Amino acid sequence: EPEVTQTPSHQVTQMGQEVILRCVPISNHLYFYWYRQILGQKVEFLVSFYNNEISEKSEIFDDQFSVERPDGSNFTLKIRSTKLEDSAMYFCASKIRGQSTDTQYFGPGTRLTVL
Amino acid sequence: GENVEQHPSTLSVQEGDSAVIKCTYSDSASNYFPWYKQELGKGPQLIIDIRSNVGEKKDQRIAVTLNKTAKHFSLHITETQPEDSAVYFCAASSYSSASKIIFGSGTRLSIRP
Repeated sequence: EPEVTQTPSHQVTQMGQEVILRCVPISNHLYFYWYRQILGQKVEFLVSFYNNEISEKSEIFDDQFSVERPDGSNFTLKIRSTKLEDSAMYFCASKIRGQSTDTQYFGPGTRLTVL
Repeated sequence: GENVEQHPSTLSVQEGDSAVIKCTYSDSASNYFPWYKQELGKGPQLIIDIRSNVGEKKDQRIAVTLNKTAKHFSLHITETQPEDSAVYFCAASSYSSASKIIFGSGTRLSIRP
């Protein structure tokens, strides 16, 4: 069964450093998402992406964040200058179409630890 | 704004008994309600979903109900087993947004042997 994959599984970085989290969505999916989950809290929406453009972003997704689909398979989340409060699990998700009733499939996540 | 409330935050049931998790949503445009199971160190896995044009859906031991008027939806797990122990999230998605998913705060379900 096709699945969303993410690398790395765990990323440790120093405050102020840039990180890039990588995702490979399911191959025929067209809509892509990033969510984050701070330890013990709910999963929060960050950004949605379609046709090489951001469709919607949350208040969390400020100028320090960016997303890119550099090729036909990868979808990346970049944090330019990490802060301690960026420490969280980051989940990538994808869906085949843009309708709200279509299922979003989540990857296993990247645990980001900012020291 | 859009919000999904979920309770209880923790639930402990005897193996073989039923578990019920309840959620409410605020956005009247919500039309899709997935439920995710999250095991330790893993991403959310869809276990069942319901669309706004139906009131109930069942898949083996799992059932979901939706009351659009009251903006309530619930997850029912019958004949619970140890492998049901996990964190469960209700969620909602709206046709008026970019189909982002708004998650509830989660319920940690523990099955006592």
